[in-house]
Amino acid sequence: AQTVTQSQPEMSVQEAETVTLSCTYDTSESDYYLFWYKQPPSRQMILVIRQEAYKQQNATENRFSVNFQKAAKSFSLKISDSQLGDAAMYFCAYTGTASKLTFGTGTRLQVTL
Amino acid sequence: DSGVTQTPKHLITATGQRVTLRCSPRSGDLSVYWYQQSLDQGLQFLIQYYNGEERAKGNILERFSAQQFPDLHSELNLSSLELGDSALYFCASSVDTTRGYEQYFGPGTRLTVT
Repeated sequence: AQTVTQSQPEMSVQEAETVTLSCTYDTSESDYYLFWYKQPPSRQMILVIRQEAYKQQNATENRFSVNFQKAAKSFSLKISDSQLGDAAMYFCAYTGTASKLTFGTGTRLQVTL
Repeated sequence: DSGVTQTPKHLITATGQRVTLRCSPRSGDLSVYWYQQSLDQGLQFLIQYYNGEERAKGNILERFSAQQFPDLHSELNLSSLELGDSALYFCASSVDTTRGYEQYFGPGTRLTVT
């Protein structure tokens, strides 16, 4: 079974600074996809970024980028120029042969002035 | 707004009761997923439907069932409710059942069992 691990329960970053959230996963599959979802206090799950495992190039969406290390099974999220609106729970998720999402336990990100 | 709607937003009920949660997917999406988010279990996949047919099952209790109707909306039925069923229930939809397609989440239904 696939597992997703987020070892940082909480992180804090100052406004305008950069922060990196860690995620590791375990799978025996070769073709899979990885995602980062954001869950603000409203509880809505918002897709932040998506990475295809067969693509070596790291995905980027505006201030959000990933560092995908396939051999190490690592998928970290970097948030640049952090804003107050980035404060939320961030979930790393995996999908492989089955299209269901397997989530990590989440990292709560605080953004301070 | 993801385009996925869920009703009701909140539901408070007593142990032993039965409730139905409703989900309407984004226009054009054929696949519907149900997830449960609780403090002790985190975010867990329950069940998936594609174009009216069940496609995959996760850690869904026997007391829970779901279906997807011809108009593609889906309902999750929870019966003989227990205190531990209190959670946020999400519906997500995607255009296809193929892995890798983005899943768009509804706002969730918060169920409180007293």
